[in-house]
Amino acid sequence: DTGVSQNPRHKITKRGQNVTFRCDPISEHNRLYWYRQTLGQGPEFLTYFQNEAQLEKSRLLSDRFSAERPKGSFSTLEIQRTEQGDSAMYLCASSKSPLARITDTQYFGPGTRLTVL
Amino acid sequence: KQEVTQIPAALSVPEGENLVLNCSFTDSAIYNLQWFRQDPGKGLTSLLLIQSSQREQTSGRLNASLDKSSGRSTLYIAASQPGDSATYLCAVSLRPNSGGSNYKLTFGKGTLLTVNP
Repeated sequence: DTGVSQNPRHKITKRGQNVTFRCDPISEHNRLYWYRQTLGQGPEFLTYFQNEAQLEKSRLLSDRFSAERPKGSFSTLEIQRTEQGDSAMYLCASSKSPLARITDTQYFGPGTRLTVL
Repeated sequence: KQEVTQIPAALSVPEGENLVLNCSFTDSAIYNLQWFRQDPGKGLTSLLLIQSSQREQTSGRLNASLDKSSGRSTLYIAASQPGDSATYLCAVSLRPNSGGSNYKLTFGKGTLLTVNP
């Protein structure tokens, strides 16, 4: 069990550029979450996948944001036309649902810190 | 809308002291509650998860309690050590909508703990 990994760990970009982040969940975890954390705040939910299906998106996720999880394995989060307000830590978490009605702990990756200049 | 509040926002204690961190939430229909630790610039490490049907969980020097009816949880740290210095985050998940599986977490802003040698 190697844990959740995220790449890159840091990304600096200029306003207006597109960026893409990758998350590799713990193998056999069918649930994957993206959260965003700004300085001094707790993480906020962005979107949720069960296997390859994106089942919920937060209102925080504007049209410039898109997430995918092809084949129900790794996931990508793309931000188009970045703005300075997008600067934050983007966290990925995964969990599994081995039994009906029981949810496991969400395990978080190290995050990708985005700085938009 | 679920809101999570953590008190105090910051706490500084001498090494060896026992301490309590507080978390409160507005919607008592939670599914579970998790306590996380976050080191500066890092991702989240899960410490304890309490299912809604449970009242407490223990792991080493950590003990978390849950009073769902009053919307409160506490994290007790015994014999604190400088290595315990970090931000501690409380997060709750609600029961998903009928037929749903999204156990997204709602976080508090955290308590910044400093344990002085």
